[in-house]
Amino acid sequence: DIQMTQSPSSLSASVGDRVTITCRASQGISNYLAWFQQKPGEAPKSLIYAASSLHGGVPSKFSGSGSGTDFTLIISSLQPEDFATYYCEQYYTYPLTFGGGTKVEIK
Amino acid sequence: EVQLVESGGGLVQPGGSLRLSCAASGFTLSDHFMDWVRQAPGKGLEWVGRTRNKANSYTTEYAASVKDRFTISRDDSKNSLYLQMNSLKTEDTAVYFCVRDGNYNGIHLLDFWGQGTLVTVSS
Repeated sequence: DIQMTQSPSSLSASVGDRVTITCRASQGISNYLAWFQQKPGEAPKSLIYAASSLHGGVPSKFSGSGSGTDFTLIISSLQPEDFATYYCEQYYTYPLTFGGGTKVEIK
Repeated sequence: EVQLVESGGGLVQPGGSLRLSCAASGFTLSDHFMDWVRQAPGKGLEWVGRTRNKANSYTTEYAASVKDRFTISRDDSKNSLYLQMNSLKTEDTAVYFCVRDGNYNGIHLLDFWGQGTLVTVSS
């Protein structure tokens, strides 16, 4: 199975900060990488697919990059509604696997 | 508006069975692959399995942790997806999400999630 490793596992940031989350795959996955946002008590929401393409309705403050084994999610200017846990996921091969999550908390 | 509504969760004893349902609306279920993803209390996301659409013969894929115990099925005429869970273990305790796959240039990937239903396996 492909292991997905996210870092950091948690971070504290202020409104307006630029936040960077990384995700590393245990083997190359091309750009078959998605990002999800999950708020407490809610279902995950799809943000990004193909490493850098935004799903419809996702604001442009979210951006993704990377290919192969190393990927990045950036939130350009953190807003109160962005405090949540973020997960990466590879869909290059079965089983689909997720990173352990990055919890973004208010500083 | 796309909606996925899961039901059927509850408390079950170890070794028991449970069948989850997912009612789909706002899109044509028969066009889509569908998945189940679960989340143990306070933990991360774990993919459970996938069913492809009619055009792909309704074939399925499963995580090793549930293979031979769980079965995904669907009834497109009823706009419904199912997860039959047998031989349940305490480690199967989780919120189970029904997830639609979108087709993005021929690549099927998770794009819309239901709210989930809680399954608790305990004696």
